[in-house]
Amino acid sequence: EAQVTQNPRYLITVTGKKLTVTCSQNMNHEYMSWYRQDPGLGLRQIYYSMNVEVTDKGDVPEGYKVSRKEKRNFPLILESPSPNQTSLYFCASRLTIADPYNEQFFGPGTRLTVL
Amino acid sequence: GNSVTQMEGPVTLSEEAFLTINCTYTATGYPSLFWYVQYPGEGLQLLLKATKADDKGSNKGFEATYRKETTSFHLEKGSVQVSDSAVYFCALNGNNRLAFGKGNQVVVIP
Repeated sequence: EAQVTQNPRYLITVTGKKLTVTCSQNMNHEYMSWYRQDPGLGLRQIYYSMNVEVTDKGDVPEGYKVSRKEKRNFPLILESPSPNQTSLYFCASRLTIADPYNEQFFGPGTRLTVL
Repeated sequence: GNSVTQMEGPVTLSEEAFLTINCTYTATGYPSLFWYVQYPGEGLQLLLKATKADDKGSNKGFEATYRKETTSFHLEKGSVQVSDSAVYFCALNGNNRLAFGKGNQVVVIP
């Protein structure tokens, strides 16, 4: 089944404790992206990657890191989480950003709470 | 830059009522436009899309028409069901990303 998977689905952590949220897709997509969803703010893009070893900042990149060493994986790293990073996070992928018409697929989400 | 504006606030309506959710956009060129739906506890999934002016996207009884003259892509459904309760996001494609509106929560009461 074609899908985007994220782990963990739920995470409660404390300020300053490094964490990684994994994202994997099995559709051989070039383009992958991370979003955070907050009440009243909708979805905001954190980082995106157009292909392996190519990443760029989205709208709200502060406090986050990403890497794209393999095509299928795009982990989101919080080196020193803070309470304002408490949010619902979505990973997404699409075949290529060059085609403006193709569909973007989303993972099921990771609900992160930073105490 | 590119942006999408959706009407403020949740939408509550009775089963079989007519649903409209407004979406307007600002963009250079001719972006593709999308509606995504998020059911409770799930990620977003594509509902419908339109790729050029006057295109009509449709799926599951929902429709939206790409209106270049009014820069709009309003979502409509003639008779909603309880199962349509979800959050609906309008989005446009441009500058290497999808830009999303803030979303509208739709609650359909039996």
